[in-house]
Amino acid sequence: QVQLQQPGAELVRPGASVKLSCKASGYTFTSYWMNWVKQRPEQGLEWIGRIDPYDSETHYNQKFKDKAILTVDKSSSTAYMQLSSLTSEDSAVYYCASYDAAYWGQGTLVTVSA
Amino acid sequence: DIVMTQSPSSLAVTAGEKVTMRCKSSQSLLWSVNQNNYLSWYQQKQGQPPKLLIYGASIRESWVPDRFTGSGSGTDFTLTISNVHAEDLAVYYCQHNHGSFLPLTFGAGTKLELK
Repeated sequence: QVQLQQPGAELVRPGASVKLSCKASGYTFTSYWMNWVKQRPEQGLEWIGRIDPYDSETHYNQKFKDKAILTVDKSSSTAYMQLSSLTSEDSAVYYCASYDAAYWGQGTLVTVSA
Repeated sequence: DIVMTQSPSSLAVTAGEKVTMRCKSSQSLLWSVNQNNYLSWYQQKQGQPPKLLIYGASIRESWVPDRFTGSGSGTDFTLTISNVHAEDLAVYYCQHNHGSFLPLTFGAGTKLELK
């Protein structure tokens, strides 16, 4: 069955960076875009961007262009999102979603705190 | 950016009711080449990731009961739940997924609550 595995939580210091992972299984990793979505507590969903694992073509929401970098490792069927210069505004749950958005990871809760 | 406007922001319902929620996009999501509407609906329950409910404006995912109906075309879309069940209480989001119009924006959501 299709699964997207994400770590449950990350605690990071303000100003630091963090690299989130999303390990895919149960389907051909290179056949579907991997999307990343942000959700702040009690807030709605924001599309950060997507990456084509086949050739690493990326599309970003301009709002996140200087915040997020999307990459993949085809050998391990894992997608990554690096978030930089973290502030309290970046504290949120970050989801990966693929297979035409039919499958989502459980999300990684990123807490930015000193 | 395409703006997705959902209404109402919340709906208080009793089990067995029929409910309708709306999603309006600032640009047409109908692609004339294939007559597909690039509009999806998601259901998100508390503490869980969103789940794809409907894509192509009206096509239900395999797990979705037929009491859920998506309709509309172009810029105006609706999600109807006939005979609401307690398990349907959630926030419902629409999203456009027309790849020619990035970013793929979401609406702000409609929260379905118990009356």
